[in-house]
Amino acid sequence: DIQMTQSPSTLSASVGDRVTITCRASQGINNWLAWYQLKPGKAPKLLIYKASSLQSGVPSRFSGSGSGTEFTLTIGSLQPDDFATYYCQQYNSFGYTFGQGTKLEIK
Amino acid sequence: QLQLQESGPGLVKSSETLSLTCTVSGGSISSSSYYWGWIRQPPGKGLEWIGSIDYSGTTYYNPSLKSRVTISVDTSKKQFSLRLSSVTAADTAVYYCARPVEYSGSYVYWGQGTLVTVSS
Repeated sequence: DIQMTQSPSTLSASVGDRVTITCRASQGINNWLAWYQLKPGKAPKLLIYKASSLQSGVPSRFSGSGSGTEFTLTIGSLQPDDFATYYCQQYNSFGYTFGQGTKLEIK
Repeated sequence: QLQLQESGPGLVKSSETLSLTCTVSGGSISSSSYYWGWIRQPPGKGLEWIGSIDYSGTTYYNPSLKSRVTISVDTSKKQFSLRLSSVTAADTAVYYCARPVEYSGSYVYWGQGTLVTVSS
């Protein structure tokens, strides 16, 4: 299995801040990486796929980067609606795995 | 707009079999471009991929669940289903069905999720 290690597990920030979440794969995943936003009582929302491709309808303040085994999700200027939990997911091969999540809290 | 809807019992007894169905509307289930998926989230925990199936019935399962999971598809009803046997309290979770971006494993369409509680 490919293990996904996400950091930090919790992040405190303020509206307007720029924040970065990191996801590290235990082996190369050919950029087959997605980022999701989760809010209580709602289905996950796809933000980024193929490591850096912005899903249609997602605000441009969200961006993804990285290659090989290390990837980042950056939110350029936090908005009130962005406080949520974020997960990375590798889909390089079946046996998909998710990171453990990063909870983004209001400071 | 593609929509997915999970259905099934919200309460299952320990050691019994959990059964859920996902009904697809607003689009085709019979495409070779993607594998339909089941994902779950236990209370207070992270997301876990359970398995995937395509329209022809080809399946892939999470190795940690493989001995207990069966996913099937009924294209005539535009449904795919999940069966998880010998459940325990650790299987209590919100279960989602989902469809990925074409030729991808990143899930763009999700059902609303259904909470399944395993009781003793």
